[in-house]
Amino acid sequence: SYVLTQPPSVSVAPGQTARITCGGNNIGSKSVHWYQQKPGQAPVLVVYDDSDRPSGIPERFSGSNSGNTATLTISRVEAGDEADYYCQVWDSSSDHRGVFGGGTKLTVL
Amino acid sequence: QLQLQESGPGLVKPSETLSLTCTVSGGSISSSSYYWGWIRQPPGKGLEWIGSIYYSGSTYYNPSLKSRVTISVDTSKNQFSLKLSSVTAADTAVYYCARLVRGYDSNYYYYMDVWGKGTTVTVSS
Repeated sequence: SYVLTQPPSVSVAPGQTARITCGGNNIGSKSVHWYQQKPGQAPVLVVYDDSDRPSGIPERFSGSNSGNTATLTISRVEAGDEADYYCQVWDSSSDHRGVFGGGTKLTVL
Repeated sequence: QLQLQESGPGLVKPSETLSLTCTVSGGSISSSSYYWGWIRQPPGKGLEWIGSIYYSGSTYYNPSLKSRVTISVDTSKNQFSLKLSSVTAADTAVYYCARLVRGYDSNYYYYMDVWGKGTTVTVSS
């Protein structure tokens, strides 16, 4: 089965750039999607199809995907960006199923 | 504006069957563009995809749960449902329903663009 690996935590000062990685075997050949989840709330889609943003998501959120690593980049980090972030792909190799990374806790210092 | 709302018992006894329903409002569950799915999150842990269904009844299930999971759809009520049998404490989680958007890049893939608020289910005697 396909496995996605994320760092458990990332810390960044306000105004700086946060980069959250998502590793997977040849993940660059898949479409990667990112979700933000704040405590007690449902996840929110922040990036889809590697680098597209849903309506209402600030341009500060961007994504890239190549080789074995996808990256969510948050520019000019704000206190309100503090949350858990999950990457997700669809595994079509055998059983068709959704796969999530383990999640990364973003702390704004 | 599309909204999804989960409903069902908050407490289920071990070995029994967990049953949840997701009601879709502000849009039709019979849209050809979307699948509908269930995701869960145990306390303090990450997200786990459970399964998804098309309005026609076509389903995908997580292989690790497949023997215990049934997802069904009722287009007349604009609802879809989850049944998870033989539950244990490990099935205690927040259960979310979501809309899945389909894309294609040599294979079909799906991602969740609209989520319900989630409902907490505790398995305990």
